[in-house]
Amino acid sequence: AQSVAQPEDQVNVAEGNPLTVKCTYSVSGNPYLFWYVQYPNRGLQFLLKYITGDNLVKGSYGFEAEFNKSQTSFHLKKPSALVSDSALYFCAVRDGLGGAGSYQLTFGKGTKLSVIP
Amino acid sequence: DAGVIQSPRHEVTEMGQEVTLRCKPISGHNSLFWYRQTMMRGLELLIYFNNNVPIDDSGMPEDRFSAKMPNASFSTLKIQPSEPRDSAVYFCASSPGETQYFGPGTRLLVL
Repeated sequence: AQSVAQPEDQVNVAEGNPLTVKCTYSVSGNPYLFWYVQYPNRGLQFLLKYITGDNLVKGSYGFEAEFNKSQTSFHLKKPSALVSDSALYFCAVRDGLGGAGSYQLTFGKGTKLSVIP
Repeated sequence: DAGVIQSPRHEVTEMGQEVTLRCKPISGHNSLFWYRQTMMRGLELLIYFNNNVPIDDSGMPEDRFSAKMPNASFSTLKIQPSEPRDSAVYFCASSPGETQYFGPGTRLLVL
């Protein structure tokens, strides 16, 4: 079984400050990890993913995430937050052991990010 | 590319009525997913298809829900009869492999 935990329901950060949104996961095999962002009344938008390779993954809108296997974490980061980054952020995982028919993702509960001007 | 297309975007219906939600995946994507999002339960996977074949429908809440994918470019999610607790935002997503791409969602309100 695979699972994802986003320990913070809400994160508040001042504009211009660095931001971190936390995610930890549990899978049987190698993890495929994803971050999505959801703006109000919109669908989820793909931000970035880790499949293999460099532990630091860069994505859209200046976001990056660091894969830490020993801590089973995949925290989302941005060096300088913008007010427009305010949204709901979802971490997701799937087990890399799955075959071609096993693309099911497990999503976290989401973290609401508020960037204060 | 137009992305994943869902219709209708909003649906208001009365309890007991049949509701049909529609999805057109991105061309060339061979997996399709239906999700439901509510404040209480978050994002839940209802069912997913691979090459038009249902792979896992364990998330479908009960027999009132059914989904079909008659071809690679169209899928429906049907609720019959609808109940107020079905009120939610329903998302369709498609994928060519690892990454899923979401549609804008259908906001359903059952009175």
